[in-house]
Amino acid sequence: GAVVSQHPSWVICKSGTSVKIECRSLDFQATTMFWYRQFPKQSLMLMATSNEGSKATYEQGVEKDKFLINHASLTLSTLTVTSAHPEDSSFYICSASEETQYFGPGTRLLVL
Amino acid sequence: DAKTTQPPSMDCAEGRAANLPCNHSTISGNEYVYWYRQIHSQGPQYIIHGLKNNETNEMASLIITEDRKSSTLILPHATLRDTAVYYCIVSSGHSGSARQLTFGSGTQLTVLP
Repeated sequence: GAVVSQHPSWVICKSGTSVKIECRSLDFQATTMFWYRQFPKQSLMLMATSNEGSKATYEQGVEKDKFLINHASLTLSTLTVTSAHPEDSSFYICSASEETQYFGPGTRLLVL
Repeated sequence: DAKTTQPPSMDCAEGRAANLPCNHSTISGNEYVYWYRQIHSQGPQYIIHGLKNNETNEMASLIITEDRKSSTLILPHATLRDTAVYYCIVSSGHSGSARQLTFGSGTQLTVLP
């Protein structure tokens, strides 16, 4: 199947700082990428849909000014968690869609 | 998208077939059945998908009932590495623009030695 990478795989930051997570489709071009969040012992929750060259579409309850998404090319989408707080600590997972959705390995964020 | 119902957990002996059921009684005609799995602390892995015909690939087989209200994912020879949470997801369309996947609670499959 197609390969999607994420960087970094884990990050620890202080409260109030911003963290950028990259999602890349390595062997295909993805017009659409998705960002999910997963808290411990819970399922994946869709945060936003990222479309190349246009603004992201956020799910209800997800603050677009806090979770900035940029999809500047067909192989790269970035999620920036601005002014991170401990409650933002979670497992962030992206996916890229060819015809089937393929997921990245995830980024574990810990905000102290 | 239609809702799916899966048992919360299942055990399977190593080397035996694992049969994971999924109910999707409200599925509509253009909705596909997708199966993903998530091994602990990793991103979900695509397994297989189908519309109405049974499908098989190198990982698994997907059996969809004739009325499409339920399906079964079959791992023919389960190994310890198949221990994971398995998600059955129904989503409309396949080709063209991407569609959202809504993850439920899934089935925790534990393969026992």
